[in-house]
Amino acid sequence: SQQGEEDPQALSIQEGENATMNCSYKTSINNLQWYRQNSGRGLVHLILIRSNEREKHSGRLRVTLDTSKKSSSLLITASRAADTASYFCATVPKRNMNYGGSQGNLIFGKGTKLSVKP
Amino acid sequence: DSGVTQTPKHLITATGQRVTLRCSPRSGDLSVYWYQQSLDQGLQFLIQYYNGEERAKGNILERFSAQQFPDLHSELNLSSLELGDSALYFCASSVGGGPKGYTFGSGTRLTVV
Repeated sequence: SQQGEEDPQALSIQEGENATMNCSYKTSINNLQWYRQNSGRGLVHLILIRSNEREKHSGRLRVTLDTSKKSSSLLITASRAADTASYFCATVPKRNMNYGGSQGNLIFGKGTKLSVKP
Repeated sequence: DSGVTQTPKHLITATGQRVTLRCSPRSGDLSVYWYQQSLDQGLQFLIQYYNGEERAKGNILERFSAQQFPDLHSELNLSSLELGDSALYFCASSVGGGPKGYTFGSGTRLTVV
């Protein structure tokens, strides 16, 4: 079953603009991660934010987490055509974490399809 | 190259057949996860292994099974295949001991005809 729901489902912007994607989830989490997937290819890990963190930056990426609202957002600043991809949020529910030393499985949302036009 | 190797990249087979998908995790990673990605269901977690032992099960059908071998590579076996099993199957690996991102392979595209 899906844990996260991304919003919007699709987003089309011009190069240089900022792109904001939102994610909502249902259960208490240990951490939330964002992944990128180019068409039909493997997922690439972008950034991880722990449940006790509120904001994290990595290059042109900024992630926020609001555990009271069970939501997160991913901001890509100064977007480029190469950012065109699908973006997924994924959570590790609290109950999945630290089971015998292994990290629990990720539960993915349905993704936001981002198109950046040159 | 992510360091997670999946073979084969593409597989076309007939209904009722059985196939085996293979995954070699990134060096040092003890956990292997299998995911199925289809247009209607999105990314669904199937099963997790950690150092050879099954650790978690998701939406894995009884017709599907998996194992992780002593060298940590994993195989996902799909049997009595149906048209609806056509999907991308991803393997991911992670190291234990705390929250970290997962490393995904490039996937196996299975087409059942």
